[in-house]
Amino acid sequence: GAGVSQSPRYKVAKRGQDVALRCDPISGHVSLFWYQQALGQGPEFLTYFQNEAQLDKSGLPSDRFFAERPEGSVSTLKIQRTQQEDSAVYLCASSLARGALNTGELFFGEGSRLTVL
Amino acid sequence: AQSVTQLDSQVPVFEEAPVELRCNYSSSVSVYLFWYVQYPNQGLQLLLKYLSGSTLVKSINGFEAEFNKSQTSFHLRKPSVHISDTAEYFCAVSFSSNTGKLIFGQGTTLQVKP
Repeated sequence: GAGVSQSPRYKVAKRGQDVALRCDPISGHVSLFWYQQALGQGPEFLTYFQNEAQLDKSGLPSDRFFAERPEGSVSTLKIQRTQQEDSAVYLCASSLARGALNTGELFFGEGSRLTVL
Repeated sequence: AQSVTQLDSQVPVFEEAPVELRCNYSSSVSVYLFWYVQYPNQGLQLLLKYLSGSTLVKSINGFEAEFNKSQTSFHLRKPSVHISDTAEYFCAVSFSSNTGKLIFGQGTTLQVKP
């Protein structure tokens, strides 16, 4: 597709369940980012991939959060044993070159809204 | 800690009136600055950016922002707003090159009334 595609758009999970969120970036985009956006807040950085390499995972809130991009294109964010505080919109973004600053522009998906009951 | 502050959570304004959305950041190093916009039911889109050069940057739809290093600000302005400008606006800052890690403000909801 022409833009960043995320699925599912909405996910309701019971506390303790595992969830997987998928991101399909723009074709050819080297860099891929995950952000978490809580209600009424700005997006917060989770992790960054350059091709298949995860270069920065400093924003992942706990070891329950895991992200991968095995072939340098599609990425999956996995949350194990979900808790209520994990409820948020998870945003994926991609950019053509390494690092956001080479172009200064990230292309965002519409996000996956996770609700943990 | 490095941070971005958007001083107004909501800004109501009448159509054709001017508007300013404020953004301040804390940093002792060089920064790169962005404004992103999120229209209802859409993803974030880049509105404008400052990387280097002229401190006044403009978007194609009439917004402009000025980088003020001494005041550590990057306020967004438009002289005359339209109903279609109703959206959530996020200021974002990058503090180092080549990482892609943007720090976002809390967002400002611009509500344009007829």
